[in-house]
Amino acid sequence: DAGITQSPRHKVTETGTPVTLRCHQTENHRYMYWYRQDPGHGLRLIHYSYGVKDTDKGEVSDGYSVSRSKTEDFLLTLESATSSQTSVYFCAISEPTDTNEKLFFGSGTQLSVL
Amino acid sequence: SQKIEQNSEALNIQEGKTATLTCNYTNYSPAYLQWYRQDPGRGPVFLLLIRENEKEKRKERLKVTFDTTLKQSLFHITASQPADSATYLCALDINDYKLSFGAGTTVTVRA
Repeated sequence: DAGITQSPRHKVTETGTPVTLRCHQTENHRYMYWYRQDPGHGLRLIHYSYGVKDTDKGEVSDGYSVSRSKTEDFLLTLESATSSQTSVYFCAISEPTDTNEKLFFGSGTQLSVL
Repeated sequence: SQKIEQNSEALNIQEGKTATLTCNYTNYSPAYLQWYRQDPGRGPVFLLLIRENEKEKRKERLKVTFDTTLKQSLFHITASQPADSATYLCALDINDYKLSFGAGTTVTVRA
């Protein structure tokens, strides 16, 4: 998966607990993204980063925060997990140019909030 | 509001036939559109990108068209094989290298 590692691969947690998901890349790509995927909704962008310490919100950012202190790591934090955040979370990376804007995805993290 | 719709959740076809998938969008003016393949339990994998000034793009047995007037892209898999069975996602450029995805169409190719 293009040098992208997501951890953990699976997690079960309880409502109200904090959760951090990690995305690690070895490609030195500038852009990193967090998406969630739910049946019937497809992939929805949560947050993205266009450089170290440069992040911005996506379409479903409420309840999530991110941090990027190094090029290779992008962390997604659920401050107080809710059952509606049960989902599959995908990290993606890209190094866009005028002729190449494709994304590379990790294998995903299955998160269950009970 | 902006919306991306992919035709029917599932498409079942006979091996050797052509599968045609549709991606319609509203309230977008994308500079490009992308198609991805996703297998169960895996992340999406990039297949093709087509720009707003391109009518058609081909890659092996895959063909994509893009009609900005109709706000529609068609994705064709010719001479389909059971190995083509997967979910196919269309994605539109929003801005600043962000993509918005459709919900996907699951294709099953019967031998």
